[in-house]
Amino acid sequence: KNEVEQSPQNLTAQEGEFITINCSYSVGISALHWLQQHPGGGIVSLFMLSSGKKKHGRLIATINIQEKHSSLHITASHPRDSAVYICAVGYGGATNKLIFGTGTLLAVQP
Amino acid sequence: DVKVTQSSRYLVKRTGEKVFLECVQDMDHENMFWYRQDPGLGLRLIYFSYDVKMKEKGDIPEGYSVSREKKERFSLILESASTNQTSMYLCASSLSSGGRRTQYFGPGTRLLVL
Repeated sequence: KNEVEQSPQNLTAQEGEFITINCSYSVGISALHWLQQHPGGGIVSLFMLSSGKKKHGRLIATINIQEKHSSLHITASHPRDSAVYICAVGYGGATNKLIFGTGTLLAVQP
Repeated sequence: DVKVTQSSRYLVKRTGEKVFLECVQDMDHENMFWYRQDPGLGLRLIYFSYDVKMKEKGDIPEGYSVSREKKERFSLILESASTNQTSMYLCASSLSSGGRRTQYFGPGTRLLVL
């Protein structure tokens, strides 16, 4: 069993829909990261959170430490949101290593 | 602006060749990482370095070595390339400190070993 599980693996949505991507983890963590990867490879960090909720534009990330679960929400989705969304957990120590989920491929159709 | 660059976007090599992938960051980060990314497997850590000349094996170090002679540069070496090393290779860097620091990624190198 993977230490970081994402669902769904693939998601197709219509423009304007509200989207939720889920991440569950089984290890103790210091922080949870949400990353975005567009076709072509480049990965950018969207959020890092260790409690509660963060919002940036149309993106919202939440985490429930007790349940070891995080969600990434996209409101009013747009075709430019089409990408792979990756959940990763940092598990402490001085080295800042992360454990990654396998990603959720999101396609938003116009 | 934060920048991590990788020496090549695409690379085609023959089985048995020695392959060098270079990564440079301009943020004075202590930590640098090499990952490979394969469909369905996510990012897997090959090696990381927490300081100049310091390195640690990640989850899949077999067939790879690394070099960090200067703080800004981290090289991944495939000693004798094999077809199962065909993959996307991503470099990242970060400040140190316990999983609470953003990792900044390079654009990736797509390597094909024939």
